[in-house]
Formats: sequence, C-alpha cells, structure tokens
Amino acid sequence: DIQMTQSPSTLSASVGDRVTITCRASQSISNWLAWYQQKPGKAPKLLIYDASSLESGVPSRFSGSGSGTEFTLTVSSLQPDDFATYYCQQYDSYLLTFGGGTKVEIK
Amino acid sequence: EVQLVESGGGLVQPGGSLRLSCSASGFTFSYYAMHWVRQAPGKGLEYVSAISSNGDNTYYADSVKGRFTISRDNSKNTLYLQISSLRVEDTAVYYCVKDRGSYYFDYWGQGTLVTVSS
Repeated sequence: DIQMTQSPSTLSASVGDRVTITCRASQSISNWLAWYQQKPGKAPKLLIYDASSLESGVPSRFSGSGSGTEFTLTVSSLQPDDFATYYCQQYDSYLLTFGGGTKVEIK
Repeated sequence: EVQLVESGGGLVQPGGSLRLSCSASGFTFSYYAMHWVRQAPGKGLEYVSAISSNGDNTYYADSVKGRFTISRDNSKNTLYLQISSLRVEDTAVYYCVKDRGSYYFDYWGQGTLVTVSS
C-alpha cells in the first residue's frame, strides 16, 4: 500500500496567516492527489483534486501543488471558516489511502 | 442536488452483524463507482471498500477483507455494506461516498455510526 504522511499533525495559526500543509507519499503517485476539509461532526468536503485543481465553489485562497511524492495545500489568508482538519488522499493505486490529517487550530 | 443518506448503524455486540444502506439521489447512480470510508471516534479517515458502477468489481481494505461485503442495487439507487464478525475496532462513523470518476470523492453522506461493544 502507498503510505501518505501529513505534516504537521496540528497547526496553530491566526486569521490572515498563510498556512501550508505537506503530504508525502511513500512512492510516486504522479499528480493523483486530493485534499479534503472536515469540520467537527461533519462529512469531509473536497477542496482540491489532481493535486492542483480547485473544486468548483471552493474559495480561491485554497491552492494545491506538487507531484511525485511531495504535495502541499496552501491557504493564502486563513479565514475563520477555515479552522478544520485537512486530509490528503492518493488515488494512484486502487488501494486508496488517506493521510493522517492536519488540524488547523486558532492561535 | 446530490444526496447520499446512510442508515442501518447502531450498537452491536462483538461478533455481530449489521447491514448499512446508502440511498442515493440527484445523479445517475448506475454511472458511478461508490465507496465506503469510515472514521473511528477522534481518529482519521480510513478507506474501507469500493464497488464499480455495474457491481462487477469490488475492493476491500485488508482490515475488513472477508468480513465486509459491498453491494449495490442500481434499480433502487442504493449502496450496501454488510458488516459481519464485528470487532471493537470497527466502531466508527461509516460514510457512503460517490466517486467523481477518478477514484477521488466529490460527495459524502452524513455518516452512520456503528458501535461495537458488549
């Protein structure tokens, strides 16, 4: 199975901060990576697919980059609605796997 | 509007069984692969199972292989997960998830909680 490792596991930030979350794959996955946002008690929501394509309706302050084994999710200016947990997911292999998650907390 | 509504969760003893259902609407159900993803309390997302659009192909994570069975009824726009030989570590919210077409997920249900406890 392809292992996905996210860092950091927790991130403290303030409104207006630029925030970057990293996701590393145990082997190359080309650009077959998605990012999701999850708020407490809610289902995850798709933010980014194909590593850098913004899902319709998602604010443009979210962006994704990377290919191969290293990927990043960036929030250019953190808003109050963005405090949540973020997960990456690879779909290079039919053995789909998620990263462990990054919780973005209020500083 | 796409809607995925899970049902069938509940409290079950170790070794027991449940059948989870997911009623889909707002899209052509028979066109898309479907998946189950679970989340243990306070933990991350864990991929569980997949089924192709016509039901011919299925996939299971190693942690559930041989105990869980995914199926679908395209005439009823419904996805199922039969879960058997349940263990305490199967306690989780189980999400029904729609595939975009490339093995990532564009719509999620609200989830149904399965609690395995004696």
